[in-house]
Amino acid sequence: AQRVTQPEKLLSVFKGAPVELKCNYSYSGSPELFWYVQYSRQRLQLLLRHISRESIKGFTADLNKGETSFHLKKPFAQEEDSAMYYCALSAPDSWGKLQFGAGTQVVVTP
Amino acid sequence: GAGVSQSPRYKVAKRGQDVALRCDPISGHVSLFWYQQALGQGPEFLTYFQNEAQLDKSGLPSDRFFAERPEGSVSTLKIQRTQQEDSAVYLCASSLIRGELFFGEGSRLTVL
Repeated sequence: AQRVTQPEKLLSVFKGAPVELKCNYSYSGSPELFWYVQYSRQRLQLLLRHISRESIKGFTADLNKGETSFHLKKPFAQEEDSAMYYCALSAPDSWGKLQFGAGTQVVVTP
Repeated sequence: GAGVSQSPRYKVAKRGQDVALRCDPISGHVSLFWYQQALGQGPEFLTYFQNEAQLDKSGLPSDRFFAERPEGSVSTLKIQRTQQEDSAVYLCASSLIRGELFFGEGSRLTVL
């Protein structure tokens, strides 16, 4: 069965410090991985997807198939990065349906 | 339109009542998804439409849950005989590109 695990419920970091959100998945095949973000009082929105291999708002994520991980990283956290982050997986034959992890709340303090 | 629109934003129902939640997707988006999000959890998939066809309803928790999208645009999620465990935020999302979902603000259902 496929599963997405985000082991940290809460991450508290200082402004300017690096931040890494962990995401591990279980799926026997080649899924597509995503990070979605929900800022306070805003709707859930796509942050980045592994196939695009781009940096969005300073965040990057690398798919490691050997470790079945898709960790999200940013070298210097900003206060505006405070939000709820969800890792999500889409199986190739699933119509683009996403399976989400439980989420990690990031709090960046000045 | 401006984005995915959901109504009502908040609904309080007595146990046993029926409720209907509406989703107006982004114009032209073929795919429409419903998710259920319990407090402190990530969104859980309920059902998927491609135009008017319901192609996947594997996430619907019981036969009290029913969804439709008769003309391939607006969708309604209906919950019959609501129970306390149905209390959650119900999210609708539409999509044009696989995996890139545009979410509504959600409908928060509280069952007393």
